[in-house]
Amino acid sequence: QQQVKQSPQSLIVQKGGISIINCAYENTAFDYFPWYQQFPGKGPALLIAIRPDVSEKKEGRFTISFNKSAKQFSLHIMDSQPGDSATYFCAASIENTGFQKLVFGTGTRLSGQS
Amino acid sequence: SQTIHQWPATLVQPVGSPLSLECTVEGTSNPNLYWYRQAAGRGLQLLFYSVGIGQISSEVPQNLSASRPQDRQFILSSKKLLLSDSGFYLCAWTSADNSPLHFGNGTRLTVT
Repeated sequence: QQQVKQSPQSLIVQKGGISIINCAYENTAFDYFPWYQQFPGKGPALLIAIRPDVSEKKEGRFTISFNKSAKQFSLHIMDSQPGDSATYFCAASIENTGFQKLVFGTGTRLSGQS
Repeated sequence: SQTIHQWPATLVQPVGSPLSLECTVEGTSNPNLYWYRQAAGRGLQLLFYSVGIGQISSEVPQNLSASRPQDRQFILSSKKLLLSDSGFYLCAWTSADNSPLHFGNGTRLTVT
């Protein structure tokens, strides 16, 4: 119940194309869903996050779509650029005053082709 | 602004040797601190978290321990490393009011 399942494991996208990464969860108590971007040799960095009171959140070329009934959420990267090549992690947690216990997906390695 | 420092960046240690990884956060007080381990194909696994000095919670049984001797310092230790302890170790922090999780740049540990 604590798992977050992420797919695909890897993705190749043409420059200017659209990338879609999907995540699914079981625990209906989760109420915070961030996406992290990680470049090789670096720690993950927060990219965008959503809470279940909205179905979509957009920040620049990055959009999260959230389907509460299906317990799924996805990251859409529009107009993919070479600099987007990285590993992307979805995560989920129960927001709590005091600390944040994120459960992470297994990651998607995105590779860009020019 | 807040920054998180983690060192060393890479470490090669023989089996059975001790381990000490250090993490410090600057620009904030009373942060919540976390140690994660990242293994290939397995995402990030929360190992320990701390909400205050001397307060450590362990998420998984293992060969590692954590300590928080000062407000903004978090240490990951082992008395005797195992081959299975190899991995990428990440320190992270949130503020006391539960800001987003921010990671350091990690330590690549190879146990030989």
